[in-house]
Amino acid sequence: DAKTTQPTSMDCAEGRAANLPCNHSTISGNEYVYWYRQIHSQGPQYIIHGLKNNETNEMASLIITEDRKSSTLILPHATLRDTAVYYCLKGAGGTSYGKLTFGQGTILTVHP
Amino acid sequence: GAGVSQSPSNKVTEKGKDVELRCDPISGHTALYWYRQSLGQGLEFLIYFQGNSAPDKSGLPSDRFSAERTGGSVSTLTIQRTQQEDSAVYLCASSLASFHEQYFGPGTRLTVT
Repeated sequence: DAKTTQPTSMDCAEGRAANLPCNHSTISGNEYVYWYRQIHSQGPQYIIHGLKNNETNEMASLIITEDRKSSTLILPHATLRDTAVYYCLKGAGGTSYGKLTFGQGTILTVHP
Repeated sequence: GAGVSQSPSNKVTEKGKDVELRCDPISGHTALYWYRQSLGQGLEFLIYFQGNSAPDKSGLPSDRFSAERTGGSVSTLTIQRTQQEDSAVYLCASSLASFHEQYFGPGTRLTVT
């Protein structure tokens, strides 16, 4: 059960969109894509999740490719407070419980 | 409403001692998870509780680790005969049901000297 693959780190200018990619080529049909982030010294915070369709909420947008092998988290107007480690995960759905497997994540640094 | 709370926030213990870490999930959440995060590492799943079902203990690293959830609410993670490699931040999360987003507590930083 391979984990997802993300770049180790990314930079973004304040006010610009941050686009964080994730590869989940081994995702199975009933697995959702989840994004969490962890700001320094805090517990992880849920951002968004999706199965097939693109999703948007007050925090971010999630774009999932048609073959579901990769996705992109978009923070439309990054702020300094968005500096965090961003985790892309896949979790089983349906009758299975949502045990999450966390990888190393992407360290996003938002610059002034 | 109140989020997930954990206590203590910090715990320093001597090697060989037992420790208990407490988690108070969000009221009404039926699923509860324990994870740990070692320095500079990602989160490692430890154990999962869902309602009255038998817990999934597949992530516990050794038989020195155990956890219980009383009355479907508060959970306690116990580590017996602590070792230095047990030093980590222990995070608890709860979710409304078995497949909903998880809300994490602030964690307990355990240091074994």
